Amino acid sequence: GQQVMQIPQYQHVQEGEDFTTYCNSSTTLSNIQWYKQRPGGHPVFLIQLVKSGEVKKQKRLTFQFGEAKKNSSLHITATQTTDVGTYFCTSGTYKYIFGTGTRLKVLA
Amino acid sequence: NAGVTQTPKFQVLKTGQSMTLQCAQDMNHEYMSWYRQDPGMGLRLIHYSVGAGITDQGEVPNGYNVSRSTTEDFPLRLLSAAPSQTSVYFCASSRQGASYEQYFGPGTRLTVT
Repeated sequence: GQQVMQIPQYQHVQEGEDFTTYCNSSTTLSNIQWYKQRPGGHPVFLIQLVKSGEVKKQKRLTFQFGEAKKNSSLHITATQTTDVGTYFCTSGTYKYIFGTGTRLKVLA
Repeated sequence: NAGVTQTPKFQVLKTGQSMTLQCAQDMNHEYMSWYRQDPGMGLRLIHYSVGAGITDQGEVPNGYNVSRSTTEDFPLRLLSAAPSQTSVYFCASSRQGASYEQYFGPGTRLTVT
C-alpha cells in the first residue's frame, strides 16, 4: 500500500537557524497536505499542494511539491520558538496516509 | 461553530472493557476519520466515512468498530479493550471538494490497564 516516509524524525535547531523536513513516497501522489501539531495539541492544517513542481509560501514557511509528485518539502527560514512542534505530511482525498512526522525543537 | 468535538478527553479502562469514543462536527462535512497517535508512529488511520451510512477500514481497524448514522456523528467503539490500544485518539472531518483540509478534534487520551 501507499507509504509516506518523512525525514528527519527529530531536529533541534538554534533560534534563527533554518529548518527543512522532507516527505517521500514510492508512488505518485495526487496531492500533499502539511499539518503542524503543537505539543499536547491536535494537528492543524497548514497548506495543500496539488500541482507538479508547485511552490507555496506562508511568511517564513516555503512548501514544495516535487516534479514527479513523489516528494515534498517544508522549509522554515529563521526559526522562532513558536515554530516548535511536529510537522506532518499526508496525502489523500478521504483516506489519508500520514507521514511519521518531524519533531522540531527550537533552542532560544 | 464548535468545529469537531470529542468526548471524553481522558479515559482509563481495564483490559476487556468496552467503550465508545464520541465525535461530532457541526460543519456539515461529508468525510470523517478516526486516527490513533502513538509516540514515534505518527497518525494512523483506523476507520473513515465518506458519508452517512458509509464506512470503511483504514490501516489499523482491528479491535474497533464505527458507524455513521448521521452526517454529524461518528462514534468509535472499542469492543474489548487491550493494553495495545493505549493511545491518543483523534477524530477529523473534511469537506468533499477541491480542498482536502482536515479539521481535527482535541483528542481523547485512552489508557488501558
